[in-house]
Amino acid sequence: QKEVEQDPGPLSVPEGAIVSLNCTYSNSAFQYFMWYRQYSRKGPELLMYTYSSGNKEDGRFTAQVDKSSKYISLFIRDSQPSDSATYLCAMSVNSGNTPLVFGKGTRLSVIA
Amino acid sequence: EADIYQTPRYLVIGTGKKITLECSQTMGHDKMYWYQQDPGMELHLIHYSYGVNSTEKGDLSSESTVSRIRTEHFPLTLESARPSHTSQYLCASQGSFSTDTQYFGPGTRLTVL
Repeated sequence: QKEVEQDPGPLSVPEGAIVSLNCTYSNSAFQYFMWYRQYSRKGPELLMYTYSSGNKEDGRFTAQVDKSSKYISLFIRDSQPSDSATYLCAMSVNSGNTPLVFGKGTRLSVIA
Repeated sequence: EADIYQTPRYLVIGTGKKITLECSQTMGHDKMYWYQQDPGMELHLIHYSYGVNSTEKGDLSSESTVSRIRTEHFPLTLESARPSHTSQYLCASQGSFSTDTQYFGPGTRLTVL
């Protein structure tokens, strides 16, 4: 079993839809959780960063962490065609001291 | 905004050639990483460094080598390129604080004929 599981999709939604992207993990020591967005032929860019359980909101994006279930989510409200990208979850035991563990990424297409 | 640069952005080269992929960052980050990513596939960590003169191998077995002589510079070298090395190579850097996360460069797309 991989440490981080992420459904690769692809996921296709109409413009304006609410999108839910998820990752599960097996290592209960993970403390730091990130979501990266990667456009085609580009490097990943940090989208959201959370520590511990709870929600964090930034504009149309909400990151949710449920450590008891070992489950993290990224919600995108009012999705736009410009949100079409691959979304990677990442997590670490102690951010800054160990390499991040990445999910495989979920490819999202938002259709106008 | 992170300032991390990779050159070249694209490289097409013949089998057997020695190549060096450059990565530089201007943020003074101690930690730097190299990832390999095939199109549409997951990231694989191949090398990382936590400071000058410190390098470690990642999860993916790689025939490449790295060096870290200066904080800002983390080049990746392939002594003899093969078609199986065709991939995208991504460099990332990270600060030393526990709240710091990784910032990625734009990548080098390598094709070995």
